Amino acid sequence: QVQLVQSGAEMKKPGASVKISCMASGYSFTTYYIHWVRQAPGQGLEWIGIINPSGGSTSYAQKFPGRVTMTRDTSASTVYMELSSLRSEDTAVYYCARDGSGWSPLDYWGQGTLVTVSS
Amino acid sequence: DIQMTQSPSSLSASVGDRVTITCRASQSISNYLNWYQQKPGKAPKLLIYAASSVQSGLPSRFSGSGSGTDFTLTISSLQLEDFATYYCQQSYSSPPYTFGQGTKLEIK
Repeated sequence: QVQLVQSGAEMKKPGASVKISCMASGYSFTTYYIHWVRQAPGQGLEWIGIINPSGGSTSYAQKFPGRVTMTRDTSASTVYMELSSLRSEDTAVYYCARDGSGWSPLDYWGQGTLVTVSS
Repeated sequence: DIQMTQSPSSLSASVGDRVTITCRASQSISNYLNWYQQKPGKAPKLLIYAASSVQSGLPSRFSGSGSGTDFTLTISSLQLEDFATYYCQQSYSSPPYTFGQGTKLEIK
């Protein structure tokens, strides 16, 4: 069965960076794009960006200029999202989700990774 | 960026009620509209894609309609497990694949 398993919770200080992993299983890793979405406490869903695990191409929301980097390791069926220059407003649960192609529905989601930014 | 606006922001209803949630796009997105359900502490779950296609395995009480700028999610007969927050998302124009602000469905 399709699974996306994310790395564990992180606590970071303002100005630091965080790198979250998302390991895929149960399907051909390079066939489906992966999105990253975040949710601040008590808030709605915010789209961060997308990566093509096949070629590694990426596209990011303009809200994160130069702060977000998505990469992948095809040998480990894993994608990574790194967010730098963290501020308190980046405190959120971060999700990876598979793009089901066609109309790009996010059909499978990771369990979420809580990132807390606090001094 | 395409803006997605959901209404209402919250809704109280009873088991057995028929409920409709609306999502409006700031420009035409054809039928590139997806709906998700999220329960507290859980990841979102895909309900509807391409505006009206129900995700495999979901009960038939969920349906979606619309195209262009106006879309609806309908739950024909609410069950206890349907009380959650619902989000629409456009996948027509990226970046970003914008979400609506969410509709919280609560028990009356």
